[in-house]
Amino acid sequence: EPEVTQTPSHQVTQMGQEVILRCVPISNHLYFYWYRQILGQKVEFLVSFYNNEISEKSEIFDDQFSVERPDGSNFTLKIRSTKLEDSAMYFCASRLRRDNQPQHFGDGTRLSIL
Amino acid sequence: AQRVTQPEKLLSVFKGAPVELKCNYSYSGSPELFWYVQYSRQRLQLLLRHISRESIKGFTADLNKGETSFHLKKPFAQEEDSAMYYCALQTSGTYKYIFGTGTRLKVLA
Repeated sequence: EPEVTQTPSHQVTQMGQEVILRCVPISNHLYFYWYRQILGQKVEFLVSFYNNEISEKSEIFDDQFSVERPDGSNFTLKIRSTKLEDSAMYFCASRLRRDNQPQHFGDGTRLSIL
Repeated sequence: AQRVTQPEKLLSVFKGAPVELKCNYSYSGSPELFWYVQYSRQRLQLLLRHISRESIKGFTADLNKGETSFHLKKPFAQEEDSAMYYCALQTSGTYKYIFGTGTRLKVLA
């Protein structure tokens, strides 16, 4: 069964540094998402991406965040200047276009900001 | 307001006992609801979606629009059911999820 893959599984970065989290969605999926989960808290929506553009973003997704689908297979989340509060688990998800289809999640990237 | 509430952070039951994980939602549109399970820091895996009305691993969930609930039930809990369970509401338009805070189910031997 095809899966969403995320790399790296764990990223440790100094505060203020840029970080790129990578995701390879399932190949025939058309909607892509990033979520984050701060330790002990719920999974929160960050951004959705469809037809090569952001379709919705949350209040969390400020100017420090950006997403890209550079080559038709990868889907990346970039944080320009990381803050301590960016430490969290980041999940990528994708889904088919058709109605009532669930999202499929990757294993997540644990981001630790020092 | 769009919201999903899972009132129990932790639910402990003995093996063979019935289990019910509660989920209530608030949504002005027609709700699409899902249950996801996360075993020991693994990925979120789809367990159930209300539209399919199926039973997976013995779990069922019925959408009750009157009570705005989508509780997850299993008549006889197994030790391998121990995991984190998340209820998710899919919104219209971008189909993003709004998650509940999750319930950790512990099935005791």
